[in-house]
Amino acid sequence: ETGVTQTPRHLVMGMTNKKSLKCEQHLGHNAMYWYKQSAKKPLELMFVYNFKEQTENNSVPSRFSPECPNSSHLFLHLHTLQPEDSALYLCASSQDGDRVNEQYFGPGTRLTVT
Amino acid sequence: GQNIDQPTEMTATEGAIVQINCTYQTSGFNGLFWYQQHAGEAPTFLSYNVLDGLEEKGRFSSFLSRSKGYSYLLLKELQMKDSASYLCAVTDSNYQLIWGAGTKLIIKP
Repeated sequence: ETGVTQTPRHLVMGMTNKKSLKCEQHLGHNAMYWYKQSAKKPLELMFVYNFKEQTENNSVPSRFSPECPNSSHLFLHLHTLQPEDSALYLCASSQDGDRVNEQYFGPGTRLTVT
Repeated sequence: GQNIDQPTEMTATEGAIVQINCTYQTSGFNGLFWYQQHAGEAPTFLSYNVLDGLEEKGRFSSFLSRSKGYSYLLLKELQMKDSASYLCAVTDSNYQLIWGAGTKLIIKP
């Protein structure tokens, strides 16, 4: 059991829809991450939150909007996505975001944009 | 630029030994991680190396040479359940993980 949960596990949405991905960690960690995983490509770091403050935004398009209301919850709000945004979106957490820590991953949300 | 290279796919036989290599070029180095990811599941932590040498953990071992920018993951006594992707990741000077594309390991009976 990873201690990091994500919902929904699968999502199909049209390009004009608005949806949100949710991540929750039960590990008492202070840092949370959003990654995009596409087939045969490296994990792409999208956003990092450390103690609820966004510390990293890797040039992610504005159609992806993160929200971190507290250290245990992380959301990714999606709107007007493109078909190339179809991928597995992984959430992770670690003890702190400003030192070397093992990251714990959730099972991911498989997103398909039609 | 930052770059992590590992083979795309490898095949091995049940009961055998396999070595998965990873080479890296990053801005700074604060350690190297190996993760295992079964199809449709979350990546899970296998090992962390920050000093040169071999770290052994049961059937799995991980080696690091910082001067060569090189690491390998060694899996012994392979089992069918070891079929998975193995991800190499380096912690850079900003403590962010830079990931390789992963090596898909196929185990045959």
